[in-house]
Amino acid sequence: KQEVTQIPAALSVPEGENLVLNCSFTDSAIYNLQWFRQDPGKGLTSLLLIQSSQREQTSGRLNASLDKSSGRSTLYIAASQPGDSATYLCAANNFNKFYFGSGTKLNVKP
Amino acid sequence: KAGVTQTPRYLIKTRGQQVTLSCSPISGHRSVSWYQQTPGQGLQFLFEYFSETQRNKGNFPGRFSGRQFSNSRSEMNVSTLELGDSALYLCASSLTGTGTRTDTQYFGPGTRLTVL
Repeated sequence: KQEVTQIPAALSVPEGENLVLNCSFTDSAIYNLQWFRQDPGKGLTSLLLIQSSQREQTSGRLNASLDKSSGRSTLYIAASQPGDSATYLCAANNFNKFYFGSGTKLNVKP
Repeated sequence: KAGVTQTPRYLIKTRGQQVTLSCSPISGHRSVSWYQQTPGQGLQFLFEYFSETQRNKGNFPGRFSGRQFSNSRSEMNVSTLELGDSALYLCASSLTGTGTRTDTQYFGPGTRLTVL
């Protein structure tokens, strides 16, 4: 069974810093890997989807990479802003099932 | 285009009761997935429906069931509620389902269920 781990569980940084969130998965036979953002008490918003054949995806200040061989993905956030404060979750898509990590709670201090 | 809607947003029930949650997907989406989110277990996959058929199922007891209607709207039912069923229940819709490489899931705001 796929297991997804996210480190760190929580992160607090000053505004303007660049930061990296980590996601690891045990089964490399994935269709894709997605990064989501969840604000308190709300649903998830898809940020980036990396297909299994891709190495990275970019959207604005966000860049996600995927290394299937090592079972790792990273989410890079450039020039962080207070509005980026949220919980970030990664999800591995294994043949019709999404397996989620427990998330990294990010706090960007003004 | 309207997003995924879930009703009700909040629900309080007592042990032993049953509950039905509703999810309306984005127009044109045929796949609806349900998830349970708790502080201890995180986000766990319940089941997925596509074209009125349950296509995939997570590791939850039979008390958790669902269905999908011809308009793609989906309902989830939990019978004989237990305290541990207190959670945020999220549904997500996508065009064709979780089995495709490029399909993105769009999540609703969730239903917060509290079991007393």
